[in-house]
Amino acid sequence: KAGVTQTPRYLIKTRGQQVTLSCSPISGHRSVSWYQQTPGQGLQFLFEYFSETQRNKGNFPGRFSGRQFSNSRSEMNVSTLELGDSALYLCASSLDSGYLIPTEAFFGQGTRLTVV
Amino acid sequence: GENVEQHPSTLSVQEGDSAVIKCTYSDSASNYFPWYKQELGKGPQLIIDIRSNVGEKKDQRIAVTLNKTAKHFSLHITETQPEDSAVYFCAASLFAGGTSYGKLTFGQGTILTVHP
Repeated sequence: KAGVTQTPRYLIKTRGQQVTLSCSPISGHRSVSWYQQTPGQGLQFLFEYFSETQRNKGNFPGRFSGRQFSNSRSEMNVSTLELGDSALYLCASSLDSGYLIPTEAFFGQGTRLTVV
Repeated sequence: GENVEQHPSTLSVQEGDSAVIKCTYSDSASNYFPWYKQELGKGPQLIIDIRSNVGEKKDQRIAVTLNKTAKHFSLHITETQPEDSAVYFCAASLFAGGTSYGKLTFGQGTILTVHP
């Protein structure tokens, strides 16, 4: 079974630009979460999608947005990039049985975004 | 919201020794506690997890213990090997629907170095 796939692996953008990152979850997984990882703040939750609906959102400005498609693939978008947005962006997928039973979250390798 | 503290931030051991990493959490309602291993250039890999109705779980050389009263949980690695060298993260989550969907709150990480 293929794991979580994130594309691209690396990106370099200029301040003020916008960027779109893509995540393909493990086959059969319907929940997709996004995290930002930086040396200073660690791993921070951005948002979670299930069946094309955002169910949860972390404490990030509105410049950070996402969506999920009917095949569970997800994209996140960051508009008006700032230098502080440089980070490793990680996507995680989980089965989410819908019975409020904890299910494992599996991470992709991430997209390394550098804003210059 | 949930807050997770992880100690130590760095841990150096000799091959064959045991390693212990400890985490405390703030939200007594949290009911799911996974541990992740992250190697350089890769995303976090789930190595073991524990649910709040269990006090201990083992998987070969790895074990996790949970003390709900004290709100802390620990990762134990026995017979360490050089390939165990990585950054380890603990996390806490509440599986109860609503605003808890998909959100893992991570500790700051422990850099484990196993010397041959």
